[in-house]
Amino acid sequence: AQSVTQLDSQVPVFEEAPVELRCNYSSSVSVYLFWYVQYPNQGLQLLLKYLSGSTLVESINGFEAEFNKSQTSFHLRKPSVHISDTAEYFCAVSRAGTASKLTFGTGTRLQVTL
Amino acid sequence: EAGVAQSPRYKIIEKRQSVAFWCNPISGHATLYWYQQILGQGPKLLIQFQNNGVVDDSQLPKDRFSAERLKGVDSTLKIQPAKLEDSAVYLCASSLFGSDEQYFGPGTRLTVT
Repeated sequence: AQSVTQLDSQVPVFEEAPVELRCNYSSSVSVYLFWYVQYPNQGLQLLLKYLSGSTLVESINGFEAEFNKSQTSFHLRKPSVHISDTAEYFCAVSRAGTASKLTFGTGTRLQVTL
Repeated sequence: EAGVAQSPRYKIIEKRQSVAFWCNPISGHATLYWYQQILGQGPKLLIQFQNNGVVDDSQLPKDRFSAERLKGVDSTLKIQPAKLEDSAVYLCASSLFGSDEQYFGPGTRLTVT
């Protein structure tokens, strides 16, 4: 079985400041890793994913995450946040190569203010 | 391309009543998932379908929850009878056969009073 820990339930940050949302996972098998974003009253949207290859993955809106197998982490970072980045962010894992369920963390609320 | 559709968006019922949620996945997506998201928690899988067959229902409370996907397209999730602890957002997701990328609908927010 897999599990995901998101250490911070809320992260307040000023606009244009850098941010890191932490995610650690536990699994006895190989996993794929995902970050999803949820805006108020909307469904989950895939932000980025790691399946294989380069351990650094990027999204189209400036977020990046690095898969660190030795530390079992997949932290999400952005060098300069915008007000519109305010949302709930979920880290998730699935068993690699099985097209199976996602196991989610409890989420981190990113609150960007002026 | 149309996304995953869910209805209703909101539902309020009293405990011991029954309720049903509907999901229409993205066209061509063979795999359909139902997740339960309780306030302050991440989504948790209830059931996964591959076409009209069940792949994983290990976390579905089968004494009160049921789901079907009769024609391998849209799906219905039912709760009968509802309990207070069933208050949550019910998310439907779909994916292409063999794909790890799931697409989520907007969810149905259920409040049980």
